[in-house]
Amino acid sequence: NAGVTQTPKFRILKIGQSMTLQCTQDMNHNYMYWYRQDPGMGLKLIYYSVGAGITDKGEVPNGYNVSRSTTEDFPLRLELAAPSQTSVYFCASSPNKGGGFSNQPQHFGDGTRLSIL
Amino acid sequence: ILNVEQSPQSLHVQEGDSTNFTCSFPSSNFYALHWYRWETAKSPEALFVMTLNGDEKKKGRISATLNTKEGYSYLYIKGSQPEDSATYLCAPGDASKLTFGTGTRLQVTL
Repeated sequence: NAGVTQTPKFRILKIGQSMTLQCTQDMNHNYMYWYRQDPGMGLKLIYYSVGAGITDKGEVPNGYNVSRSTTEDFPLRLELAAPSQTSVYFCASSPNKGGGFSNQPQHFGDGTRLSIL
Repeated sequence: ILNVEQSPQSLHVQEGDSTNFTCSFPSSNFYALHWYRWETAKSPEALFVMTLNGDEKKKGRISATLNTKEGYSYLYIKGSQPEDSATYLCAPGDASKLTFGTGTRLQVTL
């Protein structure tokens, strides 16, 4: 099992460019999440998904879009990159064992460090 | 769930010391409390998930307790080792999502 795999690990973008951060998991987890982590701040939830075809906004969704066409993949898209989106992005997944999806541990990828200049 | 507070922000102990950290959160809409260990240059790794008031969990030298009525959780490390150096995150959750604290950064020196 590779777990949660994120690509790329690092990227530098110019203001206004677009890109997709890839996330895939091989654990057959229903739930997937995207977080961003800024210095001195906790992980902030951007978007999450409870299964293929279903996505929902988290705490800081503006400027991002997601899709979930398969159980394994949950890409995060930045359409018009802005300096405020410079951050480290983490994808995570957790299994569905009943009773809601905050009662199972989340498995994190290694992160994507994104700089927008 | 908002207003998750972790204290202290950072802690420096010597090898062999025992230590503990606090996570405070609003007790309304509580569903679960997660603890994660986050080493530098790695990704967060789950330590515990607790759901019931009075829960106690243990993993080796690390243990955690939960008080949902007053809204706090303690993480204890017994006999700290240099490999325990990391940031420890707590994350209370409602039924749909977690809210992460900013963490307690622990450094253990010889």
